Amino acid sequence: DVKVTQSSRYLVKRTGEKVFLECVQDMDHENMFWYRQDPGLGLRLIYFSYDVKMKEKGDIPEGYSVSREKKERFSLILESASTNQTSMYLCASSLAGTSEAFFGQGTRLTVV
Amino acid sequence: AQSVTQPDIHITVSEGASLELRCNYSYGATPYLFWYVQSPGQGLQLLLKYFSGDTLVQGIKGFEAEFKRSQSSFNLRKPSVHWSDAAEYFCASFRSNDYKLSFGAGTTVTVRA
Repeated sequence: DVKVTQSSRYLVKRTGEKVFLECVQDMDHENMFWYRQDPGLGLRLIYFSYDVKMKEKGDIPEGYSVSREKKERFSLILESASTNQTSMYLCASSLAGTSEAFFGQGTRLTVV
Repeated sequence: AQSVTQPDIHITVSEGASLELRCNYSYGATPYLFWYVQSPGQGLQLLLKYFSGDTLVQGIKGFEAEFKRSQSSFNLRKPSVHWSDAAEYFCASFRSNDYKLSFGAGTTVTVRA
């Protein structure tokens, strides 16, 4: 089974902190994605990557950055956390060409 | 810009009744299309997918979806709903030209006895 692991289920951070959300997949997938999920807004794409060291902006990249130094790991970085970044963050991965995505369990981030 | 639209935010259906959830996509070529389900407190589970070929696709849990190019739609259906189908349902599209996987805002399904 494909496994997508997010390092934390719950995080509480202070405003202004630099926050790292880590995602690791174990199936050699080329594509990786970061979303945030908010009630009534569904899943909104923040950033995605289709190869190591490649990154593309999604629909809401402001306030975020990403890093993909290794194929299996895709990190989401909040440079200076703000309260409006309180949300559920979901990581996903997929093989190139098949596009079926597998999701992690999510990280619920609260910024106070 | 949102490339997947789910017009219905919330649907209530009686147990045993049929269910149809609407999804429209905007993309010049045919995208890859998916339906996912998320039960309360759970992760996203793939129900079914459409890549090409037969426009009526069967999924898990008795769900099916029909791709209609002329309407840019990929609606999800189930003939007889069970109480365990109460969940949030997301339609998604993957664009092969830029690898972007986009989701709709979701439809919450409530099942009444």
